[in-house]
Amino acid sequence: DAGVIQSPRHEVTEMGQEVTLRCKPISGHDYLFWYRQTMMRGLELLIYFNNNVPIDDSGMPEDRFSAKMPNASFSTLKIQPSEPRDSAVYFCASSGQGSRAFFGQGTRLTVV
Amino acid sequence: QQQVKQSPQSLIVQKGGISIINCAYENTAFDYFPWYQQFPGKGPALLIAIRPDVSEKKEGRFTISFNKSAKQFSLHIMDSQPGDSATYFCAASKGGSTLGRLYFGRGTQLTVWP
Repeated sequence: DAGVIQSPRHEVTEMGQEVTLRCKPISGHDYLFWYRQTMMRGLELLIYFNNNVPIDDSGMPEDRFSAKMPNASFSTLKIQPSEPRDSAVYFCASSGQGSRAFFGQGTRLTVV
Repeated sequence: QQQVKQSPQSLIVQKGGISIINCAYENTAFDYFPWYQQFPGKGPALLIAIRPDVSEKKEGRFTISFNKSAKQFSLHIMDSQPGDSATYFCAASKGGSTLGRLYFGRGTQLTVWP
């Protein structure tokens, strides 16, 4: 298995633009997590899904952020409109019954 | 509110020395305590984990010590090597499972000098 795959690896966008981050979890995993990493706040959980259903989205900073998981092999995190303070590395992770969480390589987002 | 507090923020150790990173938590419902290692440009990867029914777990040069009464746990890296230079995160979760939400510490940047 190729592991958790995130795209793009890097994204530079202008303030006000819509940004979509993508994640393909490991096949067979039924939990998917979106984390944000910044120097100031460390690793923060934004939202997680179980069997494609959002379980806890209390970490989503505001309404500009939304996440979907239309099927077991794909999830998106969308920011609309983006702001400079959204600049961070966004990680997707997945886990399954009896397995630990595996992280993707992350998407480095820069909003200018 | 930080559910897991980690220290130090950075650590410099000579090659061959012992690296020690400490974490503390408040929520007694936590029952799974993993440590993650992160290299620049990579996602965090599980290094070692412990459950509160044991006080110590060792895997190679890496040891977790767990003090349930003090609600503290620590990572010891013996014979530290330059290749161990990375950021280390402690974490905690509840539910007796490797699944579910992980609460991370802020991270410790370890540098091992050759």
